[in-house]
Amino acid sequence: GIQVEQSPPDLILQEGANSTLRCNFSDSVNNLQWFHQNPWGQLINLFYIPSGTKQNGRLSATTVATERYSLLYISSSQTTDSGVYFCAVGSENNNDMRFGAGTRLTVKP
Amino acid sequence: DGGITQSPKYLFRKEGQNVTLSCEQNLNHDAMYWYRQDPGQGLRLIYYSQIVNDFQKGDIAEGYSVSREKKESFPLTVTSAQKNPTAFYLCASSRRGTSGRGDNEQFFGPGTRLTVL
Repeated sequence: GIQVEQSPPDLILQEGANSTLRCNFSDSVNNLQWFHQNPWGQLINLFYIPSGTKQNGRLSATTVATERYSLLYISSSQTTDSGVYFCAVGSENNNDMRFGAGTRLTVKP
Repeated sequence: DGGITQSPKYLFRKEGQNVTLSCEQNLNHDAMYWYRQDPGQGLRLIYYSQIVNDFQKGDIAEGYSVSREKKESFPLTVTSAQKNPTAFYLCASSRRGTSGRGDNEQFFGPGTRLTVL
């Protein structure tokens, strides 16, 4: 099945800093989502982005499907951005989604 | 309010007992999914269903069973055959399960934390 790798595994920032999270995948995709898992475990949908670029406030994402990677940008980070960010992809050959291991972000005041 | 609900939020079970986790959605989505998350890990797919009365095994289906008798409901039973059932269980749904851009975006419920004593 499709392989998903996220980097870095851990990231510590000072409040106000910018960051880039990366997601590499091994096959063509028809679904790519970025999620933020809050301290209570809830997965919050950030972006549905199998290709192209989207922006939502301080967050933006870009997926280059031909090169099999996606990037999540967080600008002017806040302590509430802390948590685990997951990339999940759906292959054109399957009807399920595969999750990466996540990037744990800690934003310090 | 549209959304996905899971109950209970916390569940404790003795070894050897079966237990059923509830997942309900009122989004009129065709597809529903069950995932398991262990501490510090990503999510792994247990079962998924693209339509009523049909479901397929995911990567870690052993020791679990599901049913899909209604479009809104996709309960998961953790059986005594599951060797290490303590985990966080997440249910999700999407408008469609198959390719069709935009229709397969998944939305998640709040999860159930299962602990086996």
